[in-house]
Amino acid sequence: NAGVMQNPRHLVRRRGQEARLRCSPMKGHSHVYWYRQLPEEGLKFMVYLQKENIIDESGMPKERFSAEFPKEGPSILRIQQVVRGDSAAYFCASSPLPSAGQGIVTEAFFGQGTRLTVV
Amino acid sequence: KQEVTQIPAALSVPEGENLVLNCSFTDSAIYNLQWFRQDPGKGLTSLLLIQSSQREQTSGRLNASLDKSSGRSTLYIAASQPGDSATYLCAVKSEGGGADGLTFGKGTHLIIQP
Repeated sequence: NAGVMQNPRHLVRRRGQEARLRCSPMKGHSHVYWYRQLPEEGLKFMVYLQKENIIDESGMPKERFSAEFPKEGPSILRIQQVVRGDSAAYFCASSPLPSAGQGIVTEAFFGQGTRLTVV
Repeated sequence: KQEVTQIPAALSVPEGENLVLNCSFTDSAIYNLQWFRQDPGKGLTSLLLIQSSQREQTSGRLNASLDKSSGRSTLYIAASQPGDSATYLCAVKSEGGGADGLTFGKGTHLIIQP
């Protein structure tokens, strides 16, 4: 059972270009989370998706950022018109459904991340 | 709004020592707390997960405790080795009302000197 797969591992974009980051969750996981880690900062939650639904995007910047998790294929984090401040490591995590009725939330498993550099 | 603080920010100790990393969180309404390890330029590796109803978890030389009411957790590393050098992150999963993701501390950068 492969872990969470993110690609590319490293991505270089010029200012104004678009960046597309992909995340394939672990087999059987239907919940995906995206986090951003800026230099010298902790990981910050961006968005939480289930298949074909955005559940919580409270951590997403209001402009230029979008995310999707289609019925088929990986989750995509898209950054339009990138700026230097977007340079960061972007991590994806996946988890299975929490156990219904037990109040126990299962752990999330993280990918290796995509390191975006905007030049 | 949940905030997670980790102390110390950096720690350097000789090989073989036992050490304690600290994590505190401001809102005790959590589902669980998780300790991760992050190596330079790499992803996160989950070390230990403690559910809110639990007091501690152990894995090998690692032991994590949770005092939910006081908003504290510690990660104890026994007989440290150079291979333990990494950044250790603490993260909590808060109960409803806030963002659905984990809230992370900034980490403790640990160096074990050979």
